[in-house]
Amino acid sequence: DADVTQTPRNRITKTGKRIMLECSQTKGHDRMYWYRQDPGLGLRLIYYSFDVKDINKGEISDGYSVSRQAQAKFSLSLESAIPNQTALYFCATSDTPGDLYGYTFGSGTRLTVV
Amino acid sequence: TQLLEQSPQFLSIQEGENLTVYCNSSSVFSSLQWYRQEPGEGPVLLVTVVTGGEVKKLKRLTFQFGDARKDSSLHITAAQPGDTGLYLCAAYDTGTASKLTFGTGTRLQVTL
Repeated sequence: DADVTQTPRNRITKTGKRIMLECSQTKGHDRMYWYRQDPGLGLRLIYYSFDVKDINKGEISDGYSVSRQAQAKFSLSLESAIPNQTALYFCATSDTPGDLYGYTFGSGTRLTVV
Repeated sequence: TQLLEQSPQFLSIQEGENLTVYCNSSSVFSSLQWYRQEPGEGPVLLVTVVTGGEVKKLKRLTFQFGDARKDSSLHITAAQPGDTGLYLCAAYDTGTASKLTFGTGTRLQVTL
């Protein structure tokens, strides 16, 4: 099994629908992150969590919400999906601050909003 | 939030050629990382550089951290088709070193 698992891998949804992307990890890391990737824009941080009781907004949190259900689970919700939220979404985990071992990423969820 | 600019955005070369990818910012980094991302997968860490002027080698890949810790380069010698992918630099925000900011990426294609 992968260290960081994202479900679903692909999703097509209609404008206005609520959708949840799920992430689970077996790394035992406290820190989890949600990023969005768009061509030419790199990876942009949506939300991050340093432990179960900690939730922080990233640079592009509008239109998104998250839930940290357990140390191993971090889900991202789009309350009312819109077409410009069409993108590749990545969940990642890390261990300590300034971790020299970097982030461990899932394989991504490709979301299309029509 | 520090801005990381990568150049070039796209690079298409033939097998055996050498290439260099750059990552620049006006900010000083506490550390910088390079990742490679292949289609359908998440980024995978290649290297972390910490000290100004540091050079690290990973087989045919050479990573250099600028003396002032504001820029970095990735040089690939004798590129192979397996090097094809998206190369991303990333740096921890200064001060807390709590989260990574990623560059815009360089998409490399190596053809036979």
